[in-house]
Amino acid sequence: AQTVTQSQPEMSVQEAETVTLSCTYDTSESDYYLFWYKQPPSRQMILVIRQEAYKQQNATENRFSVNFQKAAKSFSLKISDSQLGDAAMYFCALSGTYKYIFGTGTRLKVLA
Amino acid sequence: KAGVTQTPRYLIKTRGQQVTLSCSPISGHRSVSWYQQTPGQGLQFLFEYFSETQRNKGNFPGRFSGRQFSNSRSEMNVSTLELGDSALYLCASSLLGGSPMADEQFFGPGTRLTVL
Repeated sequence: AQTVTQSQPEMSVQEAETVTLSCTYDTSESDYYLFWYKQPPSRQMILVIRQEAYKQQNATENRFSVNFQKAAKSFSLKISDSQLGDAAMYFCALSGTYKYIFGTGTRLKVLA
Repeated sequence: KAGVTQTPRYLIKTRGQQVTLSCSPISGHRSVSWYQQTPGQGLQFLFEYFSETQRNKGNFPGRFSGRQFSNSRSEMNVSTLELGDSALYLCASSLLGGSPMADEQFFGPGTRLTVL
């Protein structure tokens, strides 16, 4: 079975600081993709970053980057220079058969 | 391009009733997925449709059903509502979907269903 675990229900970060959100997964597939999605309060979920498992290079998108450790099945999200607009629920997701498998989410609070 | 739209945005029903939720994907997207979101449970996959065919179904009882129309619009139906069905129901569309699901999924705002 494919599973995704986010062990941090809630995290806080000071504005302009860096924070890392953790995600571990389990899959027996050799070809898979990993995602981080952001769900701001009362707003639609949007893609933050995507990683192809066959690529060793960690994906980056502006202030967002991942630490992909394939052997350890770990996929953490680093947010640099945190902004108030980064406050949201963050979901880690693993590609499945015509679906995503999501973790339970981490609520990120950004303190001014 | 218009985003994914879902109607209605809010619904209040009583136990035993049935409900139909609607989703219009982004133009050109042929894959539509449905997820149930509850606090502490994250998002649970309900089903995925592509070209009017259900390609995958999650671990939900038969009271949950769906369909997709030729224009890719999708509906989901929940019959004999239970209190535990209260949740945010999210629809997501992608170009082709696929296995593994490599595409980015674009999510709608959701329909918040409250069962009393």
